[in-house]
Amino acid sequence: AQKITQTQPGMFVQEKEAVTLDCTYDTSDPSYGLFWYKQPSSGEMIFLIYQGSYDQQNATEGRYSLNFQKARKSANLVISASQLGDSAMYFCAMREANNAGNMLTFGGGTRLMVKP
Amino acid sequence: KAGVTQTPRYLIKTRGQQVTLSCSPISGHRSVSWYQQTPGQGLQFLFEYFSETQRNKGNFPGRFSGRQFSNSRSEMNVSTLELGDSALYLCASSERTSGTNEQFFGPGTRLTVL
Repeated sequence: AQKITQTQPGMFVQEKEAVTLDCTYDTSDPSYGLFWYKQPSSGEMIFLIYQGSYDQQNATEGRYSLNFQKARKSANLVISASQLGDSAMYFCAMREANNAGNMLTFGGGTRLMVKP
Repeated sequence: KAGVTQTPRYLIKTRGQQVTLSCSPISGHRSVSWYQQTPGQGLQFLFEYFSETQRNKGNFPGRFSGRQFSNSRSEMNVSTLELGDSALYLCASSERTSGTNEQFFGPGTRLTVL
């Protein structure tokens, strides 16, 4: 079974509007972390936001927030007030505590395109 | 602080050759992880090194190997290159190997195998 599923291969959003990128995950480890990364066409992965499995509140970082629904095993990324520079690939990733170290498992990604 | 650097940025090789990619982590970071990104398989974990020791290895054949030096710089080597090894190879560094520490990625090395 896929550990990280991103069901939206591509999405359009109008500039200045909010957009939600979906991510569901599968793990039996009670301790895990969920990450979102942005990858522009240049290829570099840019860290956006982190949510720990034991965190009580949803994570927020500027225009990015994470809608964490633990029982549903979903960790959707919400980008408010989209900007043209937000056009990129977005990846959801998970690190499980029972894996030693920093190994991340990535979803297939969502290509976001912001329309002017 | 300087970010993660990877050299070379682009590489073209032919089948059967071998290649070595280099990654210099952020100063003070002791963990370096490597990932392969292809259109078909997406992002896949190769291996991680921490303080010169391999901590974890992904599901790749033995042709893929790596090492880490005492200054935390890491190299990965691919021997007997195959067409399917064409990919973007990303390395990531972090201070620790647990908790909420984020991983900082380099710009990647784009390998083309002809």
